[in-house]
Amino acid sequence: QKEVEQNSGPLSVPEGAIASLNCTYSDRGSQSFFWYRQYSGKSPELIMFIYSNGDKEDGRFTAQLNKASQYVSLLIRDSQPSDSATYLCAVSGGSYIPTFGRGTSLIVHP
Amino acid sequence: DTAVSQTPKYLVTQMGNDKSIKCEQNLGHDTMYWYKQDSKKFLKIMFSYNNKELIINETVPNRFSPKSPDKAHLNLHINSLELGDSAVYFCASSPGPSYNYGYTFGSGTRLTVV
Repeated sequence: QKEVEQNSGPLSVPEGAIASLNCTYSDRGSQSFFWYRQYSGKSPELIMFIYSNGDKEDGRFTAQLNKASQYVSLLIRDSQPSDSATYLCAVSGGSYIPTFGRGTSLIVHP
Repeated sequence: DTAVSQTPKYLVTQMGNDKSIKCEQNLGHDTMYWYKQDSKKFLKIMFSYNNKELIINETVPNRFSPKSPDKAHLNLHINSLELGDSAVYFCASSPGPSYNYGYTFGSGTRLTVV
C-alpha cells in the first residue's frame, strides 16, 4: 500500500517566520509531488508541484524534493496569518493516481 | 466563472434515501474525479472518468454510481444512504488522465445522513 505521511500538527509559527511542512512517501517509483492548501470548510487548492530533485520556488513558496530520502517539503517564507490552513501533500506516478496525506495544520499567529 | 461547480453545497437526508450530487467543469479538462473527505480530512479517490469513460473505480460500495453524460459533467448517485456516508464529497478535474497533473477541485458537497 502506497503511503504518504504528514505530521498532523498544528504547526504554529509567528508572523514573518518561515514555516516548514514535511511529507514522506513510501513508493520509490513516485514521480510527481503536489502541495494543496485547504482552508477550513473550503476545497483543496493546488499551490505547488515538483517533479525533479531539488528546489522549486514560486513567490513565498518553495517546494523541496529529495527522492533518495523519499521526502518532499514546502517552505513558506514571511508567513502571514492568511497562510493559516491545512496543507495536503499528494504523491503520484506510474500507474496510480495521487495518494494524499492527511495534511498538516498550520497556524500563523500575529 | 466557477471552474468546477458542484450542487448542492449541503445535503441533509435520512438513512435509506437516494440522493444525487452534480458536478460541472468549464476548464475544457478531459478527466474528472469524485473524492470523499472524511471527518479526519483524509481525501480518498472514489471514481475517475476520462472523456466520459470510467477509468478508475476504487473499492466503493455499489450503492454509489457515477455517471458522465459528457466530459464536462460528472454526477454521483447514492442509493440507500447510510450514516457512514456522511462526509464531504469533492469533484475535481485535470487536463488529462496523466498522473502528473494537479487537480482543480469543486467547492464540495457536505452530506449529512441522519
